[in-house]
Amino acid sequence: AQSVTQLGSHVSVSEGALVLLRCNYSSSVPPYLFWYVQYPNQGLQLLLKYTTGATLVKGINGFEAEFKKSETSFHLTKPSAHMSDAAEYFCAVSDLGGKLIFGQGTELSVKP
Amino acid sequence: ETGVTQSPTHLIKTRGQQVTLRCSSQSGHNTVSWYQQALGQGPQFIFQYYREEENGRGNFPPRFSGLQFPNYSSELNVNALELDDSALYLCASSLAGQGEETQYFGPGTRLLVL
Repeated sequence: AQSVTQLGSHVSVSEGALVLLRCNYSSSVPPYLFWYVQYPNQGLQLLLKYTTGATLVKGINGFEAEFKKSETSFHLTKPSAHMSDAAEYFCAVSDLGGKLIFGQGTELSVKP
Repeated sequence: ETGVTQSPTHLIKTRGQQVTLRCSSQSGHNTVSWYQQALGQGPQFIFQYYREEENGRGNFPPRFSGLQFPNYSSELNVNALELDDSALYLCASSLAGQGEETQYFGPGTRLLVL
């Protein structure tokens, strides 16, 4: 069965600092991996995805993630945090049928 | 290109009642998936509809049911509401047959059961 673990339910960084949100997955098949962001009282917005090919994936708003098969990880990074990055971030893995399995989420706070 | 829309945005019901939530898929998409997001949790897969038929179901009881219409819009019906059904219900649409089938989410319907 597939599963996703996000390490740290809450991460706090200073504006301009590196953002690192951790995601580990379990999958018996080559995974499709996604990061979504959720702003308060809103739905989920796709940040980036990994399907096949290049393991370093670039997304919107300056975020990127690297698929590391040997570590079963798909950590999300951004070199310099902005106040507008404060939100809930979800890592997800997709099975062959298209069902998304989400982690518990990581709330990112950005301090001025 | 229109995105995924959901209605209503908020809803209050009492225990035992029935509720219908609606979703219009993104233009060009043929698959709709529904998720339940309890407060402080990640979304949980309820079911998926493709070509008007259920195409996969999560660990939810039969009182959660759905429909997909010829225009690919969808409804989620919940009977005999329980307090634990209070959550944000998210609809996502995708285009089947494209390989990775990225899902695009609507803004959600927030349901409160009293």
